[in-house]
Amino acid sequence: DQQVKQNSPSLSVQEGRISILNCDYTNSMFDYFLWYKKYPAEGPTFLISISSIKDKNEDGRFTVFLNKSAKHLSLHIVPSQPGDSAVYFCPVGGSNYKLTFGKGTLLTVNP
Amino acid sequence: KAGVTQTPRYLIKTRGQQVTLSCSPISGHRSVSWYQQTPGQGLQFLFEYFSETQRNKGNFPGRFSGRQFSNSRSEMNVSTLELGDSALYLCASSVGERSPLHFGNGTRLTVT
Repeated sequence: DQQVKQNSPSLSVQEGRISILNCDYTNSMFDYFLWYKKYPAEGPTFLISISSIKDKNEDGRFTVFLNKSAKHLSLHIVPSQPGDSAVYFCPVGGSNYKLTFGKGTLLTVNP
Repeated sequence: KAGVTQTPRYLIKTRGQQVTLSCSPISGHRSVSWYQQTPGQGLQFLFEYFSETQRNKGNFPGRFSGRQFSNSRSEMNVSTLELGDSALYLCASSVGERSPLHFGNGTRLTVT
């Protein structure tokens, strides 16, 4: 049973527009949420995180929103750039030491 | 500061053999985690070590094992390899709880 679901395997957006990536989780005990991106042949790279005491966290073009009642988080990228094209993961967990990953969403930003 | 280093980058083994993968964490990071990435399953947690002790373990058979040395370097071993063990094995280190994991570029294992 998947504890973390990224229901969109892929997403395509135009350069300059907003990219919205979504993630749903099932375990209400999870209280630490992160987003990573991964290029082919490289390891995942940390983007942004949020703890359960917040509902929004921003870092430059990246904003993560957390809806605890819906067990849902999303990542907004504004404006999207071609270099953002990658697979995005939303690991969640009770601590950093055992994260549960979704299967990822492939984002393609078209010039 | 050097990142997480994993060796080798690529490995081809035959069914039934065993393999050892190595990971050198970022200097000062004492927690090392291992993940398996396969096309169908995404990233799955294998285990996590801190100060030479395994603190967490994922749902993998006993053929998968690991250890951590006093310098925080870690190794994972897979014995009696199966075709389904073909995957990208990722190592990540962290300075502490609630600090982001820093991943290496992985070891691509192919079992024939």
